[in-house]
Amino acid sequence: EVQLLESGGGLVQPGGSLRLSCAASGFTFSSYAMSWVRQAPGKGLEWVSGISNSGASTSYADSVKGRFTISRDNSENTLYVQMNSLRAEDTAVYYCAKDMRYSSSYNFDYWGQGTLVTVSS
Amino acid sequence: DIQMTQSPSSLSTSVGDRVTITCRASQSISSYLNWYQQKPGKAPKLLIYVASSLQSGVPSRFSGSGSGTDFTLTISSLQPEDFATYYCQQSYSKVTFGRGTRLEIK
Repeated sequence: EVQLLESGGGLVQPGGSLRLSCAASGFTFSSYAMSWVRQAPGKGLEWVSGISNSGASTSYADSVKGRFTISRDNSENTLYVQMNSLRAEDTAVYYCAKDMRYSSSYNFDYWGQGTLVTVSS
Repeated sequence: DIQMTQSPSSLSTSVGDRVTITCRASQSISSYLNWYQQKPGKAPKLLIYVASSLQSGVPSRFSGSGSGTDFTLTISSLQPEDFATYYCQQSYSKVTFGRGTRLEIK
C-alpha cells in the first residue's frame, strides 16, 4: 500500500524558514517523480514544486521560485522542501504527491494527508 | 501561465442525477488534463488522467472527455459519496488547477 507521510509543519514568523519532509513507502520511491502541492485555508489547490525520480530535474511555481528548494533522498525514501523567506501567503496545508512516471508528468496518483504551515507573527 | 476556468463553481444536485462539470484552458493543452475529487479535510484523489483515462479503482460512473481547450467530467448517476469538490488540472506546461466545483446536496 502506497503511503506518503508529511511532517515538519508548524507556526513560523514572516521571513523565517521551515523544512518539510515526506516519508514514502509501499512503492519504489526512486522510480517516480514527486511534487509538493499546497492549499491555503478554504482555497483551491496550488502546485508548488516538482522533482524527477533521480533528483536531477526540478521545477518551481513562480510564487516560490528562489525561496523554496525541493530535494529528495532516495536512500531514505524521503522528499523534502526547504522553505525560506516565508510570507503570510505561504500559509497552507502542504501535500506531497506521487507522480505516475519517473519524469514529471504531473499526474498525481497518490497524495499524503498534508502538513499545515502557518506564517504569522 | 495557462489558466484553467471551471464551471459551475457550485452545483446543487440530487442522488441519481447526471452531473457535468466543465473546464476550459486559456490555450490548447492537448489531452494533458486531470480531474481530482476532494472531500473536506482529506487529500485530493485522482479520478481521470489525460482527459479520459479512468484511474484504477475509480467507479465507472465517472468519465472524462475533451481535448484542446474544452474538457468535461461527467458523473452518470450521482451517489451519496460523490458530494465533494472537483478540480481540473492541466499538466501541459507545469501545473495549474481550476478553482474547483463544489457539489452540494439539493
